[in-house]
Amino acid sequence: DIQMTQSPSSLSASVGDRITITCRASQGINNYLAWFQQKPGEAPTSLIYRASTLRSGVPSRFSGSASGTDFTLTITSLQPEDFATYYCQQYHSYPYSFGQGTKLEIK
Amino acid sequence: QIHLVQSGAEVKKPGASVKVSCKASGYIFPNYGITWVRQAPGQGLEWMGWISAYNGKTTYAQNFQGRVTMSTDTSTSTAYMELGSLRSDDTAVYYCARVWPIDYWGQGTVVTVSS
Repeated sequence: DIQMTQSPSSLSASVGDRITITCRASQGINNYLAWFQQKPGEAPTSLIYRASTLRSGVPSRFSGSASGTDFTLTITSLQPEDFATYYCQQYHSYPYSFGQGTKLEIK
Repeated sequence: QIHLVQSGAEVKKPGASVKVSCKASGYIFPNYGITWVRQAPGQGLEWMGWISAYNGKTTYAQNFQGRVTMSTDTSTSTAYMELGSLRSDDTAVYYCARVWPIDYWGQGTVVTVSS
């Protein structure tokens, strides 16, 4: 099974900051990597797929990138609505595993 | 607009089964698959498996093999997930989502397993 290791597990930042969340796959996944945002008490929403393709309607301050088995989610100029938990998921090999999540909190 | 609307909360006793529905609208149902993901209280997301709404082919995560059955009814554009032999650690919110990759999510169904 492919393990997805997300870091950090939690992060404090301020409105206007730039932050990066990393997801590392235990083996190659050919960029079949998605990012999701989840706010407390709500279903997740989809942000990015194929490592770097932004979903329609997602603000351009969100971006994704890949380097081998390392994937990053970057949010520039944090907005109040961005404070949430973020998950990555690989959909290359079964089981399609998620990272453990990164909770982004207001400093 | 595309919507996935799930059935309501369930309370079940250990050993029982639960069947959650996920009604799709706004797109051609057989053209996509449906995956199921669960989230235990205060925990992360866990992938359970998926079903092709085109041909009904299923792939289940090993953790759920033998206990889960996913199905679809194309006449009503509805997907179902049935989990049997429930235990207290099956208490979670269960989500359906359209795939692949995941784009739209259902609102979630709370399943509580308690004696």
